Amino acid sequence: GENVEQHPSTLSVQEGDSAVIKCTYSDSASNYFPWYKQELGKRPQLIIDIRSNVGEKKDQRIAVTLNKTAKHFSLHITETQPEDSAVYFCAATYQAGTALIFGKGTTLSVSS
Amino acid sequence: GAVVSQHPSWVICKSGTSVKIECRSLDFQATTMFWYRQFPKQSLMLMATSNEGSKATYEQGVEKDKFLINHASLTLSTLTVTSAHPEDSSFYICSPNVAGGSYNEQFFGPGTRLTVL
Repeated sequence: GENVEQHPSTLSVQEGDSAVIKCTYSDSASNYFPWYKQELGKRPQLIIDIRSNVGEKKDQRIAVTLNKTAKHFSLHITETQPEDSAVYFCAATYQAGTALIFGKGTTLSVSS
Repeated sequence: GAVVSQHPSWVICKSGTSVKIECRSLDFQATTMFWYRQFPKQSLMLMATSNEGSKATYEQGVEKDKFLINHASLTLSTLTVTSAHPEDSSFYICSPNVAGGSYNEQFFGPGTRLTVL
């Protein structure tokens, strides 16, 4: 089955800096790669996603890149703000109707 | 996005009791329901997958006789933790899959915080 590795487990940046979180996946059949932000005690919130037919996607300060050959994808947050502090999870799945497999998460701390 | 509710949002129970968690999809039909649990400072781990009207499929290491899943309708699925013990204390999250959907996006319930004393 699919296995998703995520790094780093913790990341501390200064406000205004960029943050990058990286994930690798094992199943070459996976074709959907979402990123979630989770605040303490709350459900994961989808912040951006990418499908395997696209190499990069951007939404304001957030971008995701995908390298299918290497089987890795990354989340990029620019101009970080204290409210970006949370736990971020990457995930992968290979078809509609199948469960997401999550990475172990990255705790991002943005200090002002 | 789709609206998913979960009840209760939190529950505290004594060891040995059973707890039922309800998950409802309020504005769409879910043929498939995924149940995840999340221990403190850990990731979401898939527990089981259920399809409406059929038995659930459990992930390795998840006891099917302990975590009873019922998916009797397209808008309601329940997870019952039987004979709960302190090690079952966790955050349980349901994730319904849109019936007939051709895309992968999954929606999540708000979660249920279970604490077993």
